[in-house]
Amino acid sequence: EPEVTQTPSHQVTQMGQEVILRCVPISNHLYFYWYRQILGQKVEFLVSFYNNEISEKSEIFDDQFSVERPDGSNFTLKIRSTKLEDSAMYFCASSTGGGNTIYFGEGSWLTVV
Amino acid sequence: QKEVEQDPGPLSVPEGAIVSLNCTYSNSAFQYFMWYRQYSRKGPELLMYTYSSGNKEDGRFTAQVDKSSKYISLFIRDSQPSDSATYLCAPEGNDYKLSFGAGTTVTVRA
Repeated sequence: EPEVTQTPSHQVTQMGQEVILRCVPISNHLYFYWYRQILGQKVEFLVSFYNNEISEKSEIFDDQFSVERPDGSNFTLKIRSTKLEDSAMYFCASSTGGGNTIYFGEGSWLTVV
Repeated sequence: QKEVEQDPGPLSVPEGAIVSLNCTYSNSAFQYFMWYRQYSRKGPELLMYTYSSGNKEDGRFTAQVDKSSKYISLFIRDSQPSDSATYLCAPEGNDYKLSFGAGTTVTVRA
């Protein structure tokens, strides 16, 4: 069964460093998402991406965050200057279209020290 | 008022029992309703997807949506220890982004 794959599964980084989280969405999907979950809290929407541009973003997704689809298969989330409060599980997700089922990856656990 | 309210539990039931999970929501623009299962430190796994009010059944799982009262339910019949997880309701509007509830943690005792 096709799945969303994410790398790395866990990354520890120093505060102020840049981090890139990578995702390979399901191959025929057109909508891509990043969500995050701080430990013990609910899953929160960060950004959606369609047709090579951001279609929606939350208040959390400020100027330190960016997304990119550098080629036909990868979808990345960059955090430019990490803060302690960026420590969370980051989930990539994809779907075939708006209103269709959204499938999640296993997540990348980011620890900022 | 939170956009999606879900009782966090925890909920503990004996094996074979029916598990009943509920969510309420406030946003009338929600059109699509999903239930996900999440094991500890893992990604949400899609269980059920419904679009309209009414019931949808898939094996041991039944999802109910009542748009008039903004109420979503998930029932798990003949629960198994492997059903022990956190269950997340996640409605979606025409902006195509999910709004997750806090999740209900369920333990099924053997």
